[in-house]
Amino acid sequence: NAGVTQTPKFQVLKTGQSMTLQCAQDMNHNSMYWYRQDPGMGLRLIYYSASEGTTDKGEVPNGYNVSRLNKREFSLRLESAAPSQTSVYFCASSEAAGVFGAYEQYFGPGTRLTVT
Amino acid sequence: KDQVFQPSTVASSEGAVVEIFCNHSVSNAYNFFWYLHFPGCAPRLLVKGSKPSQQGRYNMTYERFSSSLLILQVREADAAVYYCAGCPGNNRKLIWGLGTSLAVNP
Repeated sequence: NAGVTQTPKFQVLKTGQSMTLQCAQDMNHNSMYWYRQDPGMGLRLIYYSASEGTTDKGEVPNGYNVSRLNKREFSLRLESAAPSQTSVYFCASSEAAGVFGAYEQYFGPGTRLTVT
Repeated sequence: KDQVFQPSTVASSEGAVVEIFCNHSVSNAYNFFWYLHFPGCAPRLLVKGSKPSQQGRYNMTYERFSSSLLILQVREADAAVYYCAGCPGNNRKLIWGLGTSLAVNP
């Protein structure tokens, strides 16, 4: 199993350009997440999808859109990139296991995005 | 507001036991998770649970509103960022701390 895969690994955009970050998981997980990581800020949740067909805003959703294409794939789109969106983006997935379940999240290797 | 707190940096010497403390105000938190993150790599789970547990050199303590990660016989290669996270009730989201950067002196 590849686990969680992300493409691309690196990307440089100019301000105002758009792009889509792709994420796929092969663990048959129900839930998927997009985070951004900035120095001193930890992992901040952008959007998540609790199950196929649903998406919800996280802590920092402004400037982003998401699509849960199917159970495997969850994409993140920047419609008009801004320098403030320079960051490392991580996709993760988890399998809900009930009220007392441990919602362990499995992460992809990240996409390093620079917006100039 | 659900929050998780952990120190921004911890320093240790090689061979020592290092403790990284985490406390939270996450409502109805049943589980703690400790993740390891090396720059450029995917964060990965070290240990988790709702009671004290151990995985290799990693021990997790558990109290109602706090947890500690203990790393036994710490090595220079353990220098990384360690994240604590809590899971509120049956919500699928994790509430993350800001991460603790571990420095290991030879």
